[in-house]
Amino acid sequence: GQQVMQIPQYQHVQEGEDFTTYCNSSTTLSNIQWYKQRPGGHPVFLIQLVKSGEVKKQKRLTFQFGEAKKNSSLHITATQTTDVGTYFCAGGGSNYKLTFGKGTLLTVNP
Amino acid sequence: EAGVAQSPRYKIIEKRQSVAFWCNPISGHATLYWYQQILGQGPKLLIQFQNNGVVDDSQLPKDRFSAERLKGVDSTLKIQPAKLEDSAVYLCASSPTGAGGYTFGSGTRLTVV
Repeated sequence: GQQVMQIPQYQHVQEGEDFTTYCNSSTTLSNIQWYKQRPGGHPVFLIQLVKSGEVKKQKRLTFQFGEAKKNSSLHITATQTTDVGTYFCAGGGSNYKLTFGKGTLLTVNP
Repeated sequence: EAGVAQSPRYKIIEKRQSVAFWCNPISGHATLYWYQQILGQGPKLLIQFQNNGVVDDSQLPKDRFSAERLKGVDSTLKIQPAKLEDSAVYLCASSPTGAGGYTFGSGTRLTVV
């Protein structure tokens, strides 16, 4: 079945540094979604990418979808303590089924 | 807009006991999902409903897990009998049609002892 791999598993940064997490799928995706889960919380939808090569920005967050629609990245510029949490990518397959990666836990040192 | 409601928030049971979780999705959302999230891992899909029909239950351990969404609105997930490895957070999510982002509930944290 479809597998979604995410790296790194953990990332610790100093406040103000940049952060990037990468996502790779074993199969071509119909779309990719990104979620953020704060410690003790539930996943919160951030964005969906659908088109090959698509790039979307949300303030300090930049999301990219690869040309082959098998990989994606999330880049945060100048991290803040409010960015702390686990970032999940989720690959969309048939019947709108989402397969989540294991996530990247981001911690930020103030 | 009210979010996805789940109850209970926490549950502790002994192995071999049964347990049930309830979910009420956002009004009008046709698609409802149950996910299992083990500590340190990403959510794993257990079952997907479109209205009151099952779209995908390929990863649902059907010998012990069951779920229903009889009227196409709220849903229950049951485990009987529970095993130690069922300890996890059970998340319910909904979306208007299946396409687009999901809205997750706060989840039920299950501990099996």
